[in-house]
Amino acid sequence: DAKTTQPTSMDCAEGRAANLPCNHSTISGNEYVYWYRQIHSQGPQYIIHGLKNNETNEMASLIITEDRKSSTLILPHATLRDTAVYYCIVSNAGNMLTFGGGTRLMVKP
Amino acid sequence: DAGVIQSPRHEVTEMGQEVTLRCKPISGHNSLFWYRQTMMRGLELLIYFNNNVPIDDSGMPEDRFSAKMPNASFSTLKIQPSEPRDSAVYFCASSLVEDTQYFGPGTRLTVL
Repeated sequence: DAKTTQPTSMDCAEGRAANLPCNHSTISGNEYVYWYRQIHSQGPQYIIHGLKNNETNEMASLIITEDRKSSTLILPHATLRDTAVYYCIVSNAGNMLTFGGGTRLMVKP
Repeated sequence: DAGVIQSPRHEVTEMGQEVTLRCKPISGHNSLFWYRQTMMRGLELLIYFNNNVPIDDSGMPEDRFSAKMPNASFSTLKIQPSEPRDSAVYFCASSLVEDTQYFGPGTRLTVL
């Protein structure tokens, strides 16, 4: 799997949009970008994934650059419950997920 | 749906003892994964099964670790003998093939 680079930590004010960046400059043409998050003491939770088009679901939006070398996960209205570690993963199949260090997002009141 | 079920949630044992962790995947899922999470190494894939068959066990740390999936609704991860460095949170996840993985709550293992 291609490696990803994410900031170690970020802060966000409650109610504001949280924009979490991810670099994946060596991504291959058949690899998807997946986002998972892990709230303290829980198992990781799937958020969203995409190949090259932007995606949106009830949890978040995923913006992938045209060259696919980077992406941004957007939580439109962050709440305190969104405080978690967010993992960006690239994989050509959902089966083989390699988790890096992730971004620790702290949502503050 | 009950989600992925793991037991026990916490396990404390002494070095040298056998430890068995259990997992019940989501009904209908045909892929099952075992992960280990530590502060030092993060979240690592140990082994995964498709249709009860082990596909990739390259992440299993050594021969002390073994995993089985006797049927579609049950899997075990066994450590024998256990060592203090095996202390970690062990997660089980399941999915449909090449689809989203759903994780269980984890088993926190402490080996004294």
